[in-house]
Amino acid sequence: NAGVMQNPRHLVRRRGQEARLRCSPMKGHSHVYWYRQLPEEGLKFMVYLQKENIIDESGMPKERFSAEFPKEGPSILRIQQVVRGDSAAYFCASSPQGGKLNTGELFFGEGSRLTVL
Amino acid sequence: AQSVTQLDSHVSVSEGTPVLLRCNYSSSYSPSLFWYVQHPNKGLQLLLKYTSAATLVKGINGFEAEFKKSETSFHLTKPSAHMSDAAEYFCVVYNQAGTALIFGKGTTLSVSS
Repeated sequence: NAGVMQNPRHLVRRRGQEARLRCSPMKGHSHVYWYRQLPEEGLKFMVYLQKENIIDESGMPKERFSAEFPKEGPSILRIQQVVRGDSAAYFCASSPQGGKLNTGELFFGEGSRLTVL
Repeated sequence: AQSVTQLDSHVSVSEGTPVLLRCNYSSSYSPSLFWYVQHPNKGLQLLLKYTSAATLVKGINGFEAEFKKSETSFHLTKPSAHMSDAAEYFCVVYNQAGTALIFGKGTTLSVSS
């Protein structure tokens, strides 16, 4: 059973370009979470999605960032018009259940490291 | 609001000696608490979790943590460190809605031979 797959593992963009990060959850998992990790910081929650629904986006910046988890295909985190401050590691996690039904164990991918020049 | 504070950003131990990574929490309700570990350039892995059953929780790789409500603490311990334990450790609490994990800033554990 493959784990959470994220790609690309490394992405370099120039200021003003768009970044798209993809996440395929573990088989059988319909709940996906995105976290951002800045240097010397812990992970910060960004968004929690179920298939075709955004459940909690309280951690998403109001502008330039969006996320989706379509019925078919991976979850996508999209960052438009990237700036240097967007440079970070972006982690995706999945779980078989969500909300308070989840035991708290999230299965994390190895992350996508975005560098903005 | 729920939060966790990891009291040490860096802990260094010798192989074979005990490990103590400290975490205090703040929560207005009975929290669900976790410790996750992150090895360099890897994703995170759950070490153990507390969800209001036993206050002493055993995890993988010989780690355990004790929930102490009177001290609002959830410290992570291991009797004898191994070189492979060198990693970043995060104390984590669930938000009240159960939709997000809130991470501490992490403690880097170094193990010397």
